[in-house]
Amino acid sequence: GNSVTQMEGPVTLSEEAFLTINCTYTATGYPSLFWYVQYPGEGLQLLLKATKADDKGSNKGFEATYRKETTSFHLEKGSVQVSDSAVYFCALKTSYDKVIFGPGTSLSVIP
Amino acid sequence: SQTIHQWPATLVQPVGSPLSLECTVEGTSNPNLYWYRQAAGRGLQLLFYSVGIGQISSEVPQNLSASRPQDRQFILSSKKLLLSDSGFYLCAWSPTRTGELFFGEGSRLTVL
Repeated sequence: GNSVTQMEGPVTLSEEAFLTINCTYTATGYPSLFWYVQYPGEGLQLLLKATKADDKGSNKGFEATYRKETTSFHLEKGSVQVSDSAVYFCALKTSYDKVIFGPGTSLSVIP
Repeated sequence: SQTIHQWPATLVQPVGSPLSLECTVEGTSNPNLYWYRQAAGRGLQLLFYSVGIGQISSEVPQNLSASRPQDRQFILSSKKLLLSDSGFYLCAWSPTRTGELFFGEGSRLTVL
């Protein structure tokens, strides 16, 4: 079946630290991959996406590369800010347009 | 621009009562529509999704059902609520085949 696995949180980093949130998936066919973010008190919103192998999605300083050989889509940012504190969700879309999410990773950035 | 409306925002229902949550999308046609449940501190569980009128895919074989009576309307229902149905329900839409979801504000259901 289809599934998304994320590293367990919460993750606490100091401002300007490097961030990696791991995401791996299991899927049949060729899924599209996404990272969504939920800031405190707000709804989920799309952060970035990649639709095929070796694509790199990027937005707001965040990046993730679609690695088919390792079935991964790890989220990275070189220097986090306090304003990046949020819950991050990895997700995939199957060829039948089903969209499933990972459990989410809570990130806290301290000054 | 496209907007999504979901209601009611909050409801408290007794065990065994019926449920109806509604979701409508404006400003687009033939969207994909989704219902999720988000438990506190956990991820989103896909309940139902629809790629067209009358086409409903169910992911959760429990006492919930979904219907799409119109192109941009998606309804989540139950005939008899259970305590375990309590949670935060999110409706979302996406342009066909993109997977880019836009979420409603959610409905918090408490079953007593």
